[in-house]
Amino acid sequence: GENVEQHPSTLSVQEGDSAVIKCTYSDSASNYFPWYKQELGKRPQLIIDIRSNVGEKKDQRIAVTLNKTAKHFSLHITETQPEDSAVYFCAASNAGNMLTFGGGTRLMVKP
Amino acid sequence: GAVVSQHPSRVICKSGTSVKIECRSLDFQATTMFWYRQFPKQSLMLMATSNEGSKATYEQGVEKDKFLINHASLTLSTLTVTSAHPEDSSFYICSVYGGAGTDTQYFGPGTRLTVL
Repeated sequence: GENVEQHPSTLSVQEGDSAVIKCTYSDSASNYFPWYKQELGKRPQLIIDIRSNVGEKKDQRIAVTLNKTAKHFSLHITETQPEDSAVYFCAASNAGNMLTFGGGTRLMVKP
Repeated sequence: GAVVSQHPSRVICKSGTSVKIECRSLDFQATTMFWYRQFPKQSLMLMATSNEGSKATYEQGVEKDKFLINHASLTLSTLTVTSAHPEDSSFYICSVYGGAGTDTQYFGPGTRLTVL
């Protein structure tokens, strides 16, 4: 089955700096890669996703890149703000639509 | 995205009792729903796929007789934790697809189960 690894597990940045979170996956059949943000005690919220026919996608301060050959994808947050502090999860799925999640990254943005 | 509700949001029960958690898709009919479990400071682990009108598909290591899933309608799936024990204490979250032909999943608000 699919295995998704996520790094780093914790990330601390200064407000205004950029944050990058990286994930690798094992199943070459995976073709959908969402990123979720989860605040303490709350539900995961979809923040951006990318499909295998696209190499990069951007939405304001958030961008995701995908390298299918290397089987890795990354989340980039620019101009970080304290409200970006949360746990971020990457995930991968194939045509079966079952999501496999990475281990999560706790992002702390210091004001 | 899809609107998903869960009930209850929190439940505390005694060891040995059973607890039912409801997941509702409020704005469209969901033939498939997913149930996840999340322990503190850990990732979401898929427990089972709930299929309307048929048996749920359980992930390896998840006891189907302990975690009973019923998906009797296109808007409601229930997860019953039977004979709950302290080690079952966790955050249980359901999810649904955003709509026909989409692979995006949207999550319910979760249910915090504490077994004393």
